[in-house]
Amino acid sequence: EVQLVESGGGLVQPGRSLKLSCAASGFTFSNYDMAWVRQAPTKGLEWVASISTGGGNTYYRDSVKGRFTISRDNAKSTLYLQMDSLRSEDTATYYCARTPNWYFDFWGPGTMVTVSS
Amino acid sequence: DVVMTQTPVSLPVSLGGQASISCRSSQSLVHSNGNTYLHWYLQKPGQSPQVLIYRVSNRFSGVPDRFSGSGSGTDFTLKISRVEPEDLGDYYCYKSTHFPPTFGSGTKLEIK
Repeated sequence: EVQLVESGGGLVQPGRSLKLSCAASGFTFSNYDMAWVRQAPTKGLEWVASISTGGGNTYYRDSVKGRFTISRDNAKSTLYLQMDSLRSEDTATYYCARTPNWYFDFWGPGTMVTVSS
Repeated sequence: DVVMTQTPVSLPVSLGGQASISCRSSQSLVHSNGNTYLHWYLQKPGQSPQVLIYRVSNRFSGVPDRFSGSGSGTDFTLKISRVEPEDLGDYYCYKSTHFPPTFGSGTKLEIK
């Protein structure tokens, strides 16, 4: 059974950093592109970043480029999102998602990030 | 960037009835490889999103045949027939043909 479990969310002050993790199981992690998608409270879904199977290609939405870094450790079957210089508008539930063919087929339950002083 | 316009915002339906959601893009979603990367998701209350339809009309594994996707170019539709209580929630279209990948603004399916 495919499982994705995010962790690392919490309350953080503006300008500070946070690192999210997503532990994958039930499939060969290294065979799949992966992504982070977020959802601000009461708002819609927003793609954040994607990474290729080997980690050599990464893609970001403009609003997080230069502040967020997506990475992966295939030996540990884990996806990461390093978030620096956090802003209030980054407050959201962050989901990791498996990306088999340019769409997301499995999602984790999400981890909440609140950026507030 | 390609703009995705999803309508309606809210869709009251009767149980057993039919629902239709539209998603329009400002540019064709046909990729140079010939595929159209338009997908549909359902987010039930308090849950993560789940894929219903991928690449316009392909039902994901385990999705009931009450759900169907159609369309081409810039106009796409998700139809739900014989609506059941478990179908309630927020529906999103999602396009990944062009960068950046983008979700529609969502449609809330609720009981009339």
